[in-house]
Amino acid sequence: DIQMTQSPSTLSAFVGDRVAITCRASQSISTWLAWYQQKPGKAPNLLIYKASNLESGVPSRFSGSGSGTEFTLTISSLQPDDFATYYCQQYNSYSPTFGQGTKVEIK
Amino acid sequence: QVQLVQSGAEVTKPGASVKVSCATSGYTFTNFHMHWVRQAPGQGLEWMGIINPDGGSTSYAQKLQGRVTMTRDTSTSTVYMELNSLRSEDTAVYYCARDRGTALYYFDFWGQGTLVTVSS
Repeated sequence: DIQMTQSPSTLSAFVGDRVAITCRASQSISTWLAWYQQKPGKAPNLLIYKASNLESGVPSRFSGSGSGTEFTLTISSLQPDDFATYYCQQYNSYSPTFGQGTKVEIK
Repeated sequence: QVQLVQSGAEVTKPGASVKVSCATSGYTFTNFHMHWVRQAPGQGLEWMGIINPDGGSTSYAQKLQGRVTMTRDTSTSTVYMELNSLRSEDTAVYYCARDRGTALYYFDFWGQGTLVTVSS
């Protein structure tokens, strides 16, 4: 299976900060990468697909970039509703795998 | 609007089986594949497998081969996930998650989750 590694595991930031989460794949996955947001007790919510495509209804402060093995999710100006855990997921293979998650906390 | 509504929480014993349902509405059931993803307490997300509601073909994670079965009922637009020979490590929230299309392998709508607790 393709291993996905996110960094950092936890991120503390202020409202209004620009934050970035990195996701690395153990082998090239082209741009077959999605990002999800999960809040406690809730199901994940799709934010970004194909590395940089914003899902309908997702605020434009979220953006994704990268290709091959290195990807980034950026939140341009952190809002109170954005404090959550974020997961990347590769779908390059028929055995999709997720990163371990990045928890974004209030500083 | 698309809705995926899962069955309620289950408490079961090691060695037993559990069957979780996911009732869908708001879209054409056979046009979108469905996946199951689980999340152990405080842990990350693990893909379990995929079912094509149009025909019923399945593919499972290698780790769960032989223990998991996914089925569907087209008359009620419902998919099911059965896991047998349960062990404590199977304690998790189980989600059904709709494929963006036909086996694109990313997920645009999710059920609310079903907590399965395996305990003696």
